[in-house]
Amino acid sequence: DAGVIQSPRHEVTEMGQEVTLRCKPISGHNSLFWYRQTMMRGLELLIYFNNNVPIDDSGMPEDRFSAKMPNASFSTLKIQPSEPRDSAVYFCASSLGNGYSPLHFGNGTRLTVT
Amino acid sequence: QQQVKQSPQSLIVQKGGISIINCAYENTAFDYFPWYQQFPGKGPALLIAIRPDVSEKKEGRFTISFNKSAKQFSLHIMDSQPGDSATYFCAASPVQGAQKLVFGQGTRLTINP
Repeated sequence: DAGVIQSPRHEVTEMGQEVTLRCKPISGHNSLFWYRQTMMRGLELLIYFNNNVPIDDSGMPEDRFSAKMPNASFSTLKIQPSEPRDSAVYFCASSLGNGYSPLHFGNGTRLTVT
Repeated sequence: QQQVKQSPQSLIVQKGGISIINCAYENTAFDYFPWYQQFPGKGPALLIAIRPDVSEKKEGRFTISFNKSAKQFSLHIMDSQPGDSATYFCAASPVQGAQKLVFGQGTRLTINP
């Protein structure tokens, strides 16, 4: 039973470069979430989708961040251009999206921007 | 008003002891309160959750106590084991937008053998 799959696990890039993080949600789940985790700010919700449609992107820090969900089995989070303050662990999570169904998190992508 | 405040930041408990982590919220629209457990290198995973229609929920060694009037809830881990060493997050979400969880800052729990 595959869980949420994220790639890459680690990404090191230089300031100014474009970064793309990828997520495959659990099959049958129709809600997908992108979170960012840092020591200072904890777990922050960046954006979430329901049935591939972005519902709330109020947590996206600025225009350098964008997220897409072209189909039910794939989502990307892109940062362009990246900055050192974007260094964090980025988690993707999915859920059935009904009522109080739990979020299932992937193992995250650790992003380091130098 | 959207914040969930969690304490302590870190906690060390002897094996067999009781671990207690506390959370407080302000938004009275919150009506779902889950706890997530995170091991190093892994994503958080749901541990236990409560709705405010009950004051306590128990699952094995894990218990949530909920005080609606004080807007506080806590996680108790009985007979704490070294395998319980992890970071614990409380969270809350409103009736509308139940999936839009607001997380506490996390508590790093260490159980000494």
